[in-house]
Amino acid sequence: QKEVEQDPGPLSVPEGAIVSLNCTYSNSAFQYFMWYRQYSRKGPELLMYTYSSGNKEDGRFTAQVDKSSKYISLFIRDSQPSDSATYLCAGYNTGGFKTIFGAGTRLFVKA
Amino acid sequence: KAGVTQTPRYLIKTRGQQVTLSCSPISGHRSVSWYQQTPGQGLQFLFEYFSETQRNKGNFPGRFSGRQFSNSRSEMNVSTLELGDSALYLCASSLDGTGIETQYFGPGTRLLVL
Repeated sequence: QKEVEQDPGPLSVPEGAIVSLNCTYSNSAFQYFMWYRQYSRKGPELLMYTYSSGNKEDGRFTAQVDKSSKYISLFIRDSQPSDSATYLCAGYNTGGFKTIFGAGTRLFVKA
Repeated sequence: KAGVTQTPRYLIKTRGQQVTLSCSPISGHRSVSWYQQTPGQGLQFLFEYFSETQRNKGNFPGRFSGRQFSNSRSEMNVSTLELGDSALYLCASSLDGTGIETQYFGPGTRLLVL
């Protein structure tokens, strides 16, 4: 079993839709949960991170972590064509010095 | 401030050859991590270096090795290349490896093994 599971998609939505991206994880030692965005031919860039459980909002983006169910979510409101990218969820344990990524979900937002 | 740079950006090799990839971290960053990205497996952790010491290693065969120099630049080497080594190799740098918000990725080196 992979430590972080993520549906690779692809996911296609119309412009303006609410997008829900989800992951599950199995490593209870994870303290940080992150979402990265990766455009074609680029390296991943950190979008948001959450420490432990809870919600975090940044503009159109909301990240949620439920440690009881080991579930990680990212919501994108009013999606734009510029949001079209691969979104990677990840977990991090500060004692391990390594980030464990999900497979990434390819998102297409159609104008 | 310059970002993480990786050289070369593209590389074509044949089976059995070896390859060395280079990563220059952001100035002041002392931690460098390497990842392999493939369509089937996603991003997989290779190893992490801090102050020339490997602190963690992923589940890759011994053909994959790395090192870090005193100026924090890092190299990774893959010997006896196999077709399955074709991938995007990414490095990420951070101040000390513990701050998520300071981890930045380079653009990657795309390796094709024929």
